[in-house]
Amino acid sequence: AQSVTQPDIHITVSEGASLELRCNYSYGATPYLFWYVQSPGQGLQLLLKYFSGDTLVQGIKGFEAEFKRSQSSFNLRKPSVHWSDAAEYFCAVGAGNNDMRFGAGTRLTVKP
Amino acid sequence: DAGVIQSPRHEVTEMGQEVTLRCKPISGHDYLFWYRQTMMRGLELLIYFNNNVPIDDSGMPEDRFSAKMPNASFSTLKIQPSEPRDSAVYFCASRWSGSNQPQHFGDGTRLSIL
Repeated sequence: AQSVTQPDIHITVSEGASLELRCNYSYGATPYLFWYVQSPGQGLQLLLKYFSGDTLVQGIKGFEAEFKRSQSSFNLRKPSVHWSDAAEYFCAVGAGNNDMRFGAGTRLTVKP
Repeated sequence: DAGVIQSPRHEVTEMGQEVTLRCKPISGHDYLFWYRQTMMRGLELLIYFNNNVPIDDSGMPEDRFSAKMPNASFSTLKIQPSEPRDSAVYFCASRWSGSNQPQHFGDGTRLSIL
């Protein structure tokens, strides 16, 4: 079965700084990969997804992620973080068995 | 487009009481998922349905938990009797067919069992 690891539980960045959140997956075939964001008191909102094709995918709110098969990674990036980006971020991997596995999440704090 | 709608948003009740959480998926979606989120265990899949039929309920913690989907636009998650350790945020999500389709989440029900 597939699995996903988010190595960083909590990250703090200054407003305006760049951001990279790490995600590593385990799956034998090409996975379906997703990044979600969860603001306090809300559900998970889809930021972006990767199925195939261009390994650099663009999402909402200025986020992008790059699929690197050789590293089994799908890291999320943003060139300049805004205070409103403070939230919990979840990486998820799906497979052909209709199962989707979520990482434990990374909590982002943005310093003014 | 209306998203996934969950009710109630908050529920506080005493242990031993029956709790019913409700979910209306996005129209046309044929998969529906119930999750539980806690600080200790993160996001856990409890059960999911395809075309109103339960497919995998291996995540349901105990017999006290049950879920139904009587039609394509409504699902319930019931806990009877409830216990303090059931306190969590419960999310419903739905999606189209296809494992490459993203799940769309409701805003959750924050459940507190006293």
